[in-house]
Amino acid sequence: ELKVEQNPLFLSMQEGKNYTIYCNYSTTSDRLYWYRQDPGKSLESLFVLLSNGAVKQEGRLMASLDTKARLSTLHITAAVHDLSATYFCAANQKGGNNDMRFGAGTRLTVKP
Amino acid sequence: NAGVTQTPKFRILKIGQSMTLQCAQDMNHNYMYWYRQDPGMGLKLIYYSVGAGITDKGEVPNGYNVSRSTTEDFPLRLELAAPSQTSVYFCASSIQSSGNTIYFGEGSWLTVV
Repeated sequence: ELKVEQNPLFLSMQEGKNYTIYCNYSTTSDRLYWYRQDPGKSLESLFVLLSNGAVKQEGRLMASLDTKARLSTLHITAAVHDLSATYFCAANQKGGNNDMRFGAGTRLTVKP
Repeated sequence: NAGVTQTPKFRILKIGQSMTLQCAQDMNHNYMYWYRQDPGMGLKLIYYSVGAGITDKGEVPNGYNVSRSTTEDFPLRLELAAPSQTSVYFCASSIQSSGNTIYFGEGSWLTVV
């Protein structure tokens, strides 16, 4: 059974600093997603990573995928307060059905 | 653009009552999903559908039923509500499963007392 683990679960950062959120998954997956959720809101899709070595960037966020290590990272560069949110990664089991398994989320707080 | 629309947004149910959460999408997506999110947790898949007339169980289907009579609509039925079903429910859709963005509705907050 596919399990997805994120760390850290809570992250408090100063504005301007860099940090990385890690997402490990337990079995082979053919796609990895990153989402952002603001309190009381729905999920916003950030990235979809489909292949080993895939790297995608949007603004201060960059996501990468290492399928051999079963690891995806979400790197935050020069954090700003507007990035405060909960970030989820999710993975689908390769060749399986559409049962996307989510990590528990990383609650990010960026302080001035 | 409407996207994925869920109703109701908030509902309080008594134990043993039944209700249907409505979900509609206007993007002509063939894949639709229902998730639940418990406080401080990630989402868990309840049911999904790959097209009209086709549904399948996800990770946590017990206590729920779905139907997909049209491409647009994917209602979730709760039979005999239990306190364990207190959660936030999200409906989502995508054009197909592989590598495409999945669009989520705004969520339905359900409390069972």
